[in-house]
Amino acid sequence: EVQLVESGGGLVQPGGSLRLSCAASGFTFSSYWMSWLRQAPGKGLEWVANMNQDGSEKYYVDSVKGRFTISRDNAKNSLYLQMNSLRAEDTAVYYCGRNHVDYWGQGSLVTVSS
Amino acid sequence: QSALTQPASVSGSPGQSITISCTGTSSDVGGYNSVSWYQQHPGKAPKLMIYDVSKRPSGVSNRFSGSKSGNTASLTISGLQAEDEVDYYCSSYTSSNTYVFGTGTKVTVL
Repeated sequence: EVQLVESGGGLVQPGGSLRLSCAASGFTFSSYWMSWLRQAPGKGLEWVANMNQDGSEKYYVDSVKGRFTISRDNAKNSLYLQMNSLRAEDTAVYYCGRNHVDYWGQGSLVTVSS
Repeated sequence: QSALTQPASVSGSPGQSITISCTGTSSDVGGYNSVSWYQQHPGKAPKLMIYDVSKRPSGVSNRFSGSKSGNTASLTISGLQAEDEVDYYCSSYTSSNTYVFGTGTKVTVL
């Protein structure tokens, strides 16, 4: 059974940083593209970033370019999202997704507020 | 990258068929056969219902079907049931090697 479990969310002040993690199991992690997506409270879904199997290709939505970094550790079956210079508009539930996207994690809430 | 356009709401009676549209441009929906549809219950993670325009993942009811014409993709739900009354989102690959979601549609079963 495919499982994706996000962690690392929480409350952070504007301008602060946070690192999200996603632990994957039930499939060969190193064989798949992986994605991060988000959903602001009461709003729609937004694609944030993805990366290929070996990390040589990474793509981001314009609103997070230069602030967020996606990475992975295939030995640990884990995906990460380093979020810097956080803004109030980054407040959302962040989801980890396999591929483009066939399986989703349960989400991790990030709240940016003073 | 602008969100794909979906109707805010669509409604139908039990047993009827409804269609949700998803309009983009030639740089996304119209340019690639990489359109997906997701169903989302309140407070839950989305579930993949359709991928590559019209393919159904294993376990998804055949009451759900997808199609595309030009820059508009569509999700049709046939034999509408009370359990279908949730939110639906489309998604497409784009020419920028990114993905974009639709604005979302709330389905109401009358």
